[in-house]
Amino acid sequence: DAEITQSPRHKITETGRQVTLACHQTWNHNNMFWYRQDLGHGLRLIHYSYGVQDTNKGEVSDGYSVSRSNTEDLPLTLESAASSQTSVYFCASSESALRETQYFGPGTRLLVL
Amino acid sequence: AQTVTQSQPEMSVQEAETVTLSCTYDTSESDYYLFWYKQPPSRQMILVIRQEAYKQQNATENRFSVNFQKAAKSFSLKISDSQLGDAAMYFCAYASFSGNTPLVFGKGTRLSVIA
Repeated sequence: DAEITQSPRHKITETGRQVTLACHQTWNHNNMFWYRQDLGHGLRLIHYSYGVQDTNKGEVSDGYSVSRSNTEDLPLTLESAASSQTSVYFCASSESALRETQYFGPGTRLLVL
Repeated sequence: AQTVTQSQPEMSVQEAETVTLSCTYDTSESDYYLFWYKQPPSRQMILVIRQEAYKQQNATENRFSVNFQKAAKSFSLKISDSQLGDAAMYFCAYASFSGNTPLVFGKGTRLSVIA
């Protein structure tokens, strides 16, 4: 069965370190998304991609970067982790048009000390 | 820009009872899609139900149904015969018909089901 996976599921890091969160989908979806979820803020979009070599900034992109070198993967990099980036991160994908149903990964819980 | 508002941060319902979660949105578009997503504790978010704005008939999926009021820009979710497994965060989301912009999510409603 097609799926979307994230790794690691839990991560503890220190302020200033570079961190990369992996997202892999086997749906063969064109669109991929990264969100962060914080209490009181719901889901906020960090970056998204329409396809290979395409990336776009979302609502809260500062301090984060992504690259899309193939259809299946969209890694999220925190260039220099900050305590404000402690959050739960979700990856999602959708087939073609952005209006279509998104399928979510299980999430990565990141703690920045 | 579109916005989605869920005015009930938390709700509770007795098992087997019916509960309605509220969602309002703001848009100047005439065609769009609306979604309800469910996020169980420590589990993946999944789609509950989806409504196309051009369809007058309210979407239904088993015990889940929506009350879509286009003029009022309201999209509430009704859960009938509530079960313990319905306990979760529920997110309302909006998508432009043009498909050029990502989903806009509300802040969520945490639903508790009381046995």
